[in-house]
Parts: sequence; C-alpha cells; structure tokens
Amino acid sequence: QQQVKQSPQSLIVQKGGISIINCAYENTAFDYFPWYQQFPGKGPALLIAIRPDVSEKKEGRFTISFNKSAKQFSLHIMDSQPGDSATYFCAAPRNGLYNQGGKLIFGQGTELSVKP
Amino acid sequence: DGGITQSPKYLFRKEGQNVTLSCEQNLNHDAMYWYRQDPGQGLRLIYYSQIVNDFQKGDIAEGYSVSREKKESFPLTVTSAQKNPTAFYLCASSPGQGYNSPLHFGNGTRLTVT
Repeated sequence: QQQVKQSPQSLIVQKGGISIINCAYENTAFDYFPWYQQFPGKGPALLIAIRPDVSEKKEGRFTISFNKSAKQFSLHIMDSQPGDSATYFCAAPRNGLYNQGGKLIFGQGTELSVKP
Repeated sequence: DGGITQSPKYLFRKEGQNVTLSCEQNLNHDAMYWYRQDPGQGLRLIYYSQIVNDFQKGDIAEGYSVSREKKESFPLTVTSAQKNPTAFYLCASSPGQGYNSPLHFGNGTRLTVT
C-alpha cells in the first residue's frame, strides 16, 4: 500500500513565527494533495489542497509548497497564531487518481502548539 | 445546518460485545467513509461506500462491518473479532468523485473497550 510520511510528529512555535510541516509520498501519479486541520474533539476539516501542476498554492496565511521531483509537499503557516494550535494531516490518493474516485490516505499527523 | 452527525460521542463496551456506531448525513452526498484514528498513526480507512447498497473494504476492514441501506446513513459495527477496537472513529462523506469533492468529517465517536 502506498504511504504518506509526515514530519515532525509535534511542533512548538512562538506566536508570529512560521510553522512548517512536511510530507513525502511514493507514487508520482498522485494528482491531489490536501491538508486537513483537526481541533481537539472534532473531526478534521479541509484546510488547503494542491494539484501537482503547480508548485505553490497560497490561501491567506497558509501555503502549500510542492516539489514533484523530490516527491514532497509542505504546509507553511505564516504569522502563526495560538488559534492555529491543532493537529494537521497531509493526505494523498490511496491508489490511483483522486479525480477518478481515489480514496485518501493520511499522514501520521503533526500536533502544532503556538505559544503566545 | 447541513453536516454529519456521529453518535454517541463516547461509547464504552465490554470485550466480546459487538457495538454499532451511528453516522448520519444531511448533505445529500453520495459517498461515505469510515476512518479510524489512533495516536501517531493518522487516519486509516476502514470501509467506504460510493452508492446505496454498495460498499468496499478499506485498508483495515477486518473485525468491522457496515451497511448502506439509505443514502443518509452508514453505520459501522465493531465486532468482537476486532482485536484492538479502542480508538477514535470518524465518519466522512463527499459529494462524489474528483477534485471538487473533498471529505467532510463528523466529530467522531471515541470507543473504549475494556
């Protein structure tokens, strides 16, 4: 089975700093790379997603950087805030292509804590 | 408000008992999914259903069963054959297939088996 490897497992950042979470994948045919955000006691929610035809996507303070040759993608949170404290999961299509009915496999998760 | 309702939020069972977790959605989504979340292991796919009366095994289906008799409902039964059932269970749905069909999750059921 394909895997998505996420690091670090936990991250502590000062308010105003940059949080960076990394994911590595195996299958170069993957066509969709989302990030989900989960607050304690809640289900994950889609934060931002990218397709491999672009190298970067930005939405507000959140940016995905995509490196196709290295088979890696990263989430950058600029000006991190205490309200960003949550668990973040990267994901990729389980097998085949997401746009053709692929299901998602998830990374191990990163617990982010932003200190005031 | 449209969404996914999982009940109950907390569930306690004795070892050897089957237990059914409820998942209801009013988003009119075709596809529904069950994931299991364990610390340090991310989310793992148990079962999924793309249409009523049809469902497929995910990566860790052993010891679980599902049904999809109605579009809105996708209950998960954790049987006594599941060797390590204590976990956080998440139900999700999506409108269909493709880039414009992200997963929408419920708020989960935390199952503890002793």
